[in-house]
Order: sequence, then structure tokens, then C-alpha cells
Amino acid sequence: QLQLQESGPGLVKPAETLSLTCSVSGDSIRSSNSFWGWVRQPPGKGLEWIANIFYSGTTYYNPSLKSRVTISVDTSKNHFSLKLTSVTAADTAVYYCARLSDDKTYGHYYFDLWGRGTLVAVSS
Amino acid sequence: SYVLTQPPSVSVAPGKTARITCGGNNIGTKTVHWYQQRPGQAPVLVIYYDSDRPSGIPERFSGSNSGNTATLIITRVEAGDEADYYCQLWDNTSDHWVFGGGTKLTVL
Repeated sequence: QLQLQESGPGLVKPAETLSLTCSVSGDSIRSSNSFWGWVRQPPGKGLEWIANIFYSGTTYYNPSLKSRVTISVDTSKNHFSLKLTSVTAADTAVYYCARLSDDKTYGHYYFDLWGRGTLVAVSS
Repeated sequence: SYVLTQPPSVSVAPGKTARITCGGNNIGTKTVHWYQQRPGQAPVLVIYYDSDRPSGIPERFSGSNSGNTATLIITRVEAGDEADYYCQLWDNTSDHWVFGGGTKLTVL
């Protein structure tokens, strides 16, 4: 059974870089048509899409975060990662990694499997 | 970018039907997915492609999408349905994924 697990520091200083990893277990991260993403949720607020990466390496970014975000895949470690630079208190959130699927193959991918999330606080 | 608008809250008595809306410009021409998020938990997909249910989701959950409004419908509401619900779509004109602001469902 496929499972996702986020890991990374729970506290990051302002202006520094937030780095998170999502470990994939139960299947290869390079399975055909595999698609992976990050979503965050500030305390008490709604969900915000951050970025996705396709198994081929094609990336998609939220335009409001694009200048600060990098998503990547490490197939040797079967995990994918998120880097967010120049963080501020506004980046304090629970960060979720997720798998995207599209069983109708029409391109309207949805997040069908989520990690438990990891809280990252930005504070000095 | 595309904007999805949800009411902040919806209240319903147990056993009744809850309807949670998701508004967007000509959203009926797009494909909407819905997530349930219970307090302290990760979101769970409850409806995809407007009206399909993943395995394990009760038949009480259904969806529709037409005009400028997509709707998540929960019949015979139970206390366990109390949660935040989010609509989401892929904006194919910009290749961006968009979430609505979320609706808190309260079971009275």
C-alpha cells in the first residue's frame, strides 16, 4: 500500500530556506504517469497548492510562490522534495505532500493520497 | 488565476441533506474535485471528476456541476461528517491547481 511521509525541520528562521522531503513507500516514485505535489495550510486557514512534479520531471508552480519554490524528485531515494527560499512568518503552515491521479486520463488530476503533514514554523 | 468561492460555513441537522457550493466563472465547463478534512487530519478525497466517488466513500456523498456552481451533496448527514470541505480544480488555461477557501460543515 502506497504511503507518503513528510520530513524536515519544524522550525526555520526568517530569510532562510525551508527544505522538506516526502518519502514514498510501497511503490516506485517513477511509476508510469506518477505525479506528486505539495500543498500547505497555514494555521486556521485553507489549503494552498504549492507545486507539482510529473514523473518525467515536468514541474508546475503556484505563481504566487514560483520565484521562491523548487520541487524535485530523487529516484535513487524514492522521494521528492520541496525548497522554499526567503521564508517569512507567512510561510508558517502544515505542509502536506500528496500523490495526484487521474483514472480517466483526461488530465484533470486530483490529490488522491496525502501524507499526514508536517508543521513548519518560521520564527527567530 | 481562476478563483473558487465557497461559503465559510454550512449547518445541517443530523439525518438531513447538506449542500456545499463552490462557485466559479463557468465552472460547469471545468472538472471539480472535493476533499473532506477532519480536525487535525490530512484531507481525504471524497468526490472526483464532479461526481465520482473513490472506493470507501459512502454513497451518501455525491456531486454535481453546472453553470457557475459545483455542489457537494451529503445525504443523511451524520455527526462524523462534521469537517471542513474543499473544492479543487485544475485550471487548464494556466496549468495551475486551485483550491476553494473551504466550508466548515457543522452538524447541529
